[in-house]
Amino acid sequence: GQQLNQSPQSMFIQEGEDVSMNCTSSSIFNTWLWYKQDPGEGPVLLIALYKAGELTSNGRLTAQFGITRKDSFLNISASIPSDVGIYFCAGPPTGANSKLTFGKGITLSVRP
Amino acid sequence: NAGVTQTPKFQVLKTGQSMTLQCAQDMNHEYMSWYRQDPGMGLRLIHYSVGAGITDQGEVPNGYNVSRSTTEDFPLRLLSAAPSQTSVYFCASSYVGGTGYTFGSGTRLTVV
Repeated sequence: GQQLNQSPQSMFIQEGEDVSMNCTSSSIFNTWLWYKQDPGEGPVLLIALYKAGELTSNGRLTAQFGITRKDSFLNISASIPSDVGIYFCAGPPTGANSKLTFGKGITLSVRP
Repeated sequence: NAGVTQTPKFQVLKTGQSMTLQCAQDMNHEYMSWYRQDPGMGLRLIHYSVGAGITDQGEVPNGYNVSRSTTEDFPLRLLSAAPSQTSVYFCASSYVGGTGYTFGSGTRLTVV
């Protein structure tokens, strides 16, 4: 099946720093999604991307849909302690309608 | 509050016992799904449903049953619990064709 690759598994940054993470696939995705999971909670949608090359912001978060349609990037600027959590990329496999494939996630830690 | 409600939040089972994880949503979403989350494995799809009376298998369906008798409810049944089913289980819903899943807050299951 179509897989989404996220690495590294964990990232550690200092409060105030920017951080970038990416998600890649060997297959084309027509939609890219970024979710965040706070400790003890379910994932919450941060940003949705629907067009190759699209750049979308949500506060301090910016995500881009790669022009090859095989990757996406999420940038968090001026990190704060509440940015701690697991960040997942996700997308619907070809023809899957509502079904989503998720990456394995990146656990972000922010040092005060 | 509108959303996806999962019960129970925590459960300990003995090997061989059966139980049902409950999931209910009040957003009139046609699509509902169950994921399990294990360390380093991300979110893996167990079963999903695109409407009442329609269910299908996901990536890891073995050992689990589902049914969808109403739009609102999508219970997940463990027929004979095994230690390998120790995990955190998430229910999610969306409109068919939509990708903005709403997740429940999860059920943490331990099988001893």
